[in-house]
Amino acid sequence: SQTIHQWPATLVQPVGSPLSLECTVEGTSNPNLYWYRQAAGRGLQLLFYSVGIGQISSEVPQNLSASRPQDRQFILSSKKLLLSDSGFYLCAWIGTGSRSSPLHFGNGTRLTVT
Amino acid sequence: AQSVAQPEDQVNVAEGNPLTVKCTYSVSGNPYLFWYVQYPNRGLQFLLKYITGDNLVKGSYGFEAEFNKSQTSFHLKKPSALVSDSALYFCAVRAPGGYQKVTFGTGTKLQVIP
Repeated sequence: SQTIHQWPATLVQPVGSPLSLECTVEGTSNPNLYWYRQAAGRGLQLLFYSVGIGQISSEVPQNLSASRPQDRQFILSSKKLLLSDSGFYLCAWIGTGSRSSPLHFGNGTRLTVT
Repeated sequence: AQSVAQPEDQVNVAEGNPLTVKCTYSVSGNPYLFWYVQYPNRGLQFLLKYITGDNLVKGSYGFEAEFNKSQTSFHLKKPSALVSDSALYFCAVRAPGGYQKVTFGTGTKLQVIP
C-alpha cells in the first residue's frame, strides 16, 4: 500500500536560518507531488507542485523553493526564514493513473519561526 | 480559474442531529469534487468524491454529499452527528483536465455538542 512520510513533525527555527523539510512517498511511482501551507489552522495555500523529477512549478512567489531529486522525494527549502514563514506545511501526492484520484496527505510539519 | 466557497466558518450541531456543511464551486467543465476532514495537527483525510453518475455519493464514517449541478453545490451531510465528528472540513475541486491542480475551500469547523 502507498504511504507518505513527512519530517520533522515540529520545528522551531530562528529568523534568518535555513529550512529543509522532506517528504517521501512509498508504494507508487511517478506521483504528482504537492506542497501546501496552512496558516492559522484554516485555508490551504498551494506552494509548489511537481509532475516529475526536477520539474517544479511555483504557485506563489515567496521565500521558499522546492526540489524533487528523486521520483518519490519532495523537499521544501529556504535559505533565510522569515517570521511569515511560520505555519503548518503539508505534503501530498496523487497517483497519475487516474485523474479522479484524491490527494493523499502527510501528517504535516508545524514550523514556528521565532 | 477554479474556486471553492465554504460560506460557513463554523457549524454547530447537537449530537444525534443531522448536519450539513455547505460548499459551492466554480470550474470549467465537469468538476471532480472532494471532501476532506482534518483533525488537529494532522494532515487532511479523504472522505468522499463526486466524479460522475449518482448525485448522492457516500463516503467514510457515514458521511454523504449531494452534487447539484444547477446550483454548483456539493454539500456534505450526515444523518446523525457524533461528537467525534468535530473537526475541520474542506471541500475541494479539480477540473478534469490540466495537471491535476486541486483548489480547496477555506474550511468549515464543525462542532458537535454533546
